[in-house]
Amino acid sequence: ETGVTQTPRHLVMGMTNKKSLKCEQHLGHNAMYWYKQSAKKPLELMFVYSLEERVENNSVPSRFSPECPNSSHLFLHLHTLQPEDSALYLCASSQDSRLPGEQYFGPGTRLTVT
Amino acid sequence: GQQLNQSPQSMFIQEGEDVSMNCTSSSIFNTWLWYKQDPGEGPVLLIALYKAGELTSNGRLTAQFGITRKDSFLNISASIPSDVGIYFCAGGNSGGSNYKLTFGKGTLLTVNP
Repeated sequence: ETGVTQTPRHLVMGMTNKKSLKCEQHLGHNAMYWYKQSAKKPLELMFVYSLEERVENNSVPSRFSPECPNSSHLFLHLHTLQPEDSALYLCASSQDSRLPGEQYFGPGTRLTVT
Repeated sequence: GQQLNQSPQSMFIQEGEDVSMNCTSSSIFNTWLWYKQDPGEGPVLLIALYKAGELTSNGRLTAQFGITRKDSFLNISASIPSDVGIYFCAGGNSGGSNYKLTFGKGTLLTVNP
């Protein structure tokens, strides 16, 4: 039990669809992250939120839109995605985005764009 | 950006054997973390290292923070079938206003019973 949950676990969507990924952390952390994991590539950091404020956006295309309504919940809104966006999307949390510390991951959402 | 070289890319071993894998970088890191990822799941934190030279164990797992701060290794002793998975290293340091983790590409471990 990592304390970070993600829904849905699997998602298949067409390029014209709009969908959202949800993440919730039960660890009392102040920072939350979205990562993209593609085959044979290192984890790619997409967004960082600290106390509901976006503090980093790693040149992610605008078809990915994050939302953090409170420090326990994080969403990733998806629209007009491309097939190359198919990947495992991982949410993580940590105590403080500015300090050394461990990041704890959720189980991920396996996204397939058709 | 920073890159980590993780090796080996994959390992096939017999149950009961010891395993060693490592990560190296041309850059200095302030922390090293080791994660394991099972198929269809997210990475699970195994060991966190915060000090150069630090040697930390978690059951059959032992990890060390290299004295140069540019490398780390993970050892697994007496491997068992449930050790199968992908092991990732991650180096951490301050990057601008946030603390960043840079991940290796992973080592795929297969254990034959």
